Amino acid sequence: GQNIDQPTEMTATEGAIVQINCTYQTSGFNGLFWYQQHAGEAPTFLSYNVLDGLEEKGRFSSFLSRSKGYSYLLLKELQMKDSASYLCAASDSNYQLIWGAGTKLIIKP
Amino acid sequence: TAGITQAPTSQILAAGRRMTLRCTQDMRHNAMYWYRQDLGLGLRLIHYSNTAGTTGKGEVPDGYSVSRANTDDFPLTLASAVPSQTSVYFCASSDSAGGSTDTQYFGPGTRLTVL
Repeated sequence: GQNIDQPTEMTATEGAIVQINCTYQTSGFNGLFWYQQHAGEAPTFLSYNVLDGLEEKGRFSSFLSRSKGYSYLLLKELQMKDSASYLCAASDSNYQLIWGAGTKLIIKP
Repeated sequence: TAGITQAPTSQILAAGRRMTLRCTQDMRHNAMYWYRQDLGLGLRLIHYSNTAGTTGKGEVPDGYSVSRANTDDFPLTLASAVPSQTSVYFCASSDSAGGSTDTQYFGPGTRLTVL
């Protein structure tokens, strides 16, 4: 079957760095997405990786290892507004997205 | 640009009633999607449409139907609502017409409660 695993909840301190991990098992693979979702709002796109390696975009970076079925989202210089859920989604052989349940990130002052 | 709009924002519905959730996008995207989001679960695909005039079943299609008469609109209908359909429903769109991976953009969601 197809499966995405990510931690349910993480806590970090304002100004610090946090890494949110995601492992995936899909029939075929056509890339890995990260979305941010604030409570009561829609998911918004953060990053897309299809090749191995690190993609940096400001304070956010995303890493992919296709051989390990593994990705992480790295958030630097955490701000209170980063408190949100972070959703990992893998594109399968039919180009459909398989979604993880999301990681709720709590930022403490 | 509005992007994707959904209506209603929220709805309380009696079991057995028929309900249509509306979704409209103004980005001229080819593909559109309906998801439901429940606590502790990932987004689950209900139905999708790669281009106007075509639709397909997702992971959890039972009890739902869709139509795609034109590029902009993708309504989702619950023919006879049941309490297990209580959820937050998100509509999304992407530029791809199937056969490629493209970023999906989401509407604000409809919170539906079936009593």
